[in-house]
Amino acid sequence: EAGVVQSPRYKIIEKKQPVAFWCNPISGHNTLYWYRQNLGQGPELLIRYENEEAVDDSQLPKDRFSAERLKGVDSTLKIQPAELGDSAVYLCASSLDRWSSGRDLTSYEQYFGPGTRLTVT
Amino acid sequence: DAKTTQPNSMESNEEEPVHLPCNHSTISGTDYIHWYRQLPSQGPEYVIHGLTSNVNNRMASLAIAEDRKSSTLILHRATLRDAAVYYCILRDINNYGQNFVFGPGTRLSVLP
Repeated sequence: EAGVVQSPRYKIIEKKQPVAFWCNPISGHNTLYWYRQNLGQGPELLIRYENEEAVDDSQLPKDRFSAERLKGVDSTLKIQPAELGDSAVYLCASSLDRWSSGRDLTSYEQYFGPGTRLTVT
Repeated sequence: DAKTTQPNSMESNEEEPVHLPCNHSTISGTDYIHWYRQLPSQGPEYVIHGLTSNVNNRMASLAIAEDRKSSTLILHRATLRDAAVYYCILRDINNYGQNFVFGPGTRLSVLP
């Protein structure tokens, strides 16, 4: 089974230019995450989707970042315009979340893609 | 969000056991303890998780303190391939679903 696919793997752009990242999650996974990882740090959540709905975008800088997950499958994350501080690795992850009775969520694994390394010059 | 504390780095010799500690003194009763690891130039990968009892799988073992304020990831025989950053995470549930907050993790070096 194919894992989470991301493209491109590397991107170099000049500041103020737009950039887009694409993610194809594992087939059948209903939840999709976008993370940003700065050098030497752990990943930080940007946005989480359940199917096609963005259920948590509280950490997404909405003035320049946007995301979409049409049809609840693959997703695109866009930055416009890019700034020097946006240089980082952008990770996509997916999981199959199943809610049982009450608020118990029986899902334990997020599957991560290899990431896109963005360099803004 | 609940927080975890891990050493910045650790070293181990190949084929020896490794014990990676994690403190989570503010853990709540419903927080699961998860471990992920990140190999160079790759995304994180799931290692193991637990709630109260010790857990074993093919990759590692997880020992959870009785008061749940700390846990230890155990690699029984370190290999060079185990050199990675290991993240200890408390998985809680907020209004949006499950929530993972990654810290900087522990960078494990394995010496041949």
